[in-house]
Amino acid sequence: ETVLTQSPATLSLSPGEGATLSCRASQSVNHYLAWYQQKPGQAPRLLIYDASDRATGIPSRFSGSGSGTDFTLSISSVEPEDFAVYYCQQRRFWPITFGGGTTVEIK
Amino acid sequence: DVQLVESGGGLVSPGGSLRLSCAASGFAFTTYSMNWVRQAPGKGLEWLSNIDYNSMDTYYSDSVKGRFTISRDNARNLLYLQMNSLRDDDTALYYCARGDWNHWGQGTLVTVSS
Repeated sequence: ETVLTQSPATLSLSPGEGATLSCRASQSVNHYLAWYQQKPGQAPRLLIYDASDRATGIPSRFSGSGSGTDFTLSISSVEPEDFAVYYCQQRRFWPITFGGGTTVEIK
Repeated sequence: DVQLVESGGGLVSPGGSLRLSCAASGFAFTTYSMNWVRQAPGKGLEWLSNIDYNSMDTYYSDSVKGRFTISRDNARNLLYLQMNSLRDDDTALYYCARGDWNHWGQGTLVTVSS
């Protein structure tokens, strides 16, 4: 199966700072990479699909980039509501797999 | 509005069975594939299974293959997950998600314990 490795495990930031989250795939997934945000007690929310396309209603401060095996989720200026866990997901191969997650916490 | 509502979770003994349901509304259910995903307490997301729009193709993770069965009833807009031979490590919150991943339910909790 395709293993997704996310780094860092935890990112400590102050509101207004920029964030860069990484996801590395064990084999090329082309552009079939998505990012999700999950807050405590809530279901995951799709942020980015196909590596760089924002889902409906997602603010422009969220952006995705990359292809093949290396992907990045960037938050240009973290808002208080952005503190959450972020997961990447590949849909190129069965089984679909998720990364282990990056927690973005308040510094 | 799109809604996905899971039900059927609960406490079950190891080796037991449970059938989860996901009621879909607010969209053309028959045109979307559907997924089940779970999340063990304090852990990450684990994809379990997918079924295409007309039930012709199904896919499973290795962790549940042979024990869980995904199915759907397009006439009633329902998605199912039949779970057999349950183990302690199947304890989790189980989500259904639409095939484009834009919509998820709120989950139903399955606890496997003696």
